Amino acid sequence: EFVLTQSPGTLSLSPGERATLSCRASQSLNNNYLAWYQQKPGQAPRLLIYGASSRASGIPDRFSGSGSGTDFTLTISRLEPEDFAVYYCQQYDTSRTFGPGTHLEIK
Amino acid sequence: QLQLQESGPGLVKPSETLSLTCTVSGGSISSSSHYWGWIRQPPGKGLEWVGSRHHNGITFANPSLKSRVAISIDTSKDQFSLKLTSVTAADTAVYYCARHISMGRFKIGWFDPWGQGTLVTVSP
Repeated sequence: EFVLTQSPGTLSLSPGERATLSCRASQSLNNNYLAWYQQKPGQAPRLLIYGASSRASGIPDRFSGSGSGTDFTLTISRLEPEDFAVYYCQQYDTSRTFGPGTHLEIK
Repeated sequence: QLQLQESGPGLVKPSETLSLTCTVSGGSISSSSHYWGWIRQPPGKGLEWVGSRHHNGITFANPSLKSRVAISIDTSKDQFSLKLTSVTAADTAVYYCARHISMGRFKIGWFDPWGQGTLVTVSP
């Protein structure tokens, strides 16, 4: 079974700081088949990144994705107040599974 | 701009069938090369892909749910539907519909955009 692990579970930072979120796959992902989503309370997830590093339409350039193989990172260069949310990674190499999420909270 | 909206009963009894419909606006299901999918999220928990279907009939489903899932498409109404049979309390969740991006023949990737979601509770 393909498993995604996200760390940390909760990340406490202040606006203006840099956020680094990790997603680790139990097996290597072919072609970096990984996406990132942002979910705010009471809202549907919103696509941020696909193909590990391609930004979705309308996503600010402070969001960036990187990584390959089994280790992937979502970086938010300078946190804005609206960035505090839960972030999920999703692999689409073997079936489709989501990670458990990282809760990014205001410190 | 493509928009999706879920509809259906908010309460289903155990052992019965959950039925939801997603209406697509701002675009046509039949003219799209993409798939149309369902994802669910139990209250306070993470996301789980349920299944996806193309208007040509090709369907993919989560192996853990495959025996209970049926997805259909009505291109005349730009709607697609989910049926989940023999539900239990574990099927209580917010159900989202979404466009499931096709990356080529038999390969589907990420979800974009999503509907707002609808809560379905399984309870007597």
